[in-house]
Amino acid sequence: GQQVMQIPQYQHVQEGEDFTTYCNSSTTLSNIQWYKQRPGGHPVFLIQLVKSGEVKKQKRLTFQFGEAKKNSSLHITATQTTDVGTYFCAGVGWETSGSRLTFGEGTQLTVNP
Amino acid sequence: KAGVTQTPRYLIKTRGQQVTLSCSPISGHRSVSWYQQTPGQGLQFLFEYFSETQRNKGNFPGRFSGRQFSNSRSEMNVSTLELGDSALYLCASSVDTGWWTQYFGPGTRLLVL
Repeated sequence: GQQVMQIPQYQHVQEGEDFTTYCNSSTTLSNIQWYKQRPGGHPVFLIQLVKSGEVKKQKRLTFQFGEAKKNSSLHITATQTTDVGTYFCAGVGWETSGSRLTFGEGTQLTVNP
Repeated sequence: KAGVTQTPRYLIKTRGQQVTLSCSPISGHRSVSWYQQTPGQGLQFLFEYFSETQRNKGNFPGRFSGRQFSNSRSEMNVSTLELGDSALYLCASSVDTGWWTQYFGPGTRLLVL
């Protein structure tokens, strides 16, 4: 079945440093979504990418969807302590049983002030 | 609008028992999905309900079941609980079926002893 792999699993940075998490799917995706889960909280939707090669920005966050629609990345510029949490990508793809939203295992980001 | 609500928030059960979890979606949302979150397995999709019908199902045993009512509220049932069922169970609602943005509730943390 569809698999979505996310790396790294953990990332520890100093405040002010940049951070990137990568997401790779075993199959072509129709779209990819990104979520953030703060410690002790629940996942919160950040953004959805649909088009091949799409790039979207939200303040210090930059999201990219690969040309082949099989990979994506989230880049945070100049991290802040408020960026702490686990970032999940979730890809929508098709299997024989129908469409499926598959979450990556997440990248846990910690920021040292 | 009020967010997704889940009850109960915490639950302790013993092996062999059964449990029912409840989810009330955001008003106007017709799709409800359930996920199991564990430290080792990440977010695993259980099933999705739309218009009182199960539309998609993940790879979980038949002990896991659910239903949706005419007001879009949903319940999830786990029978014959096992230790490995200990997890955070998250409900997410979306406006329609088809893997739109998932709005997650706070989750029910289930501990099986």
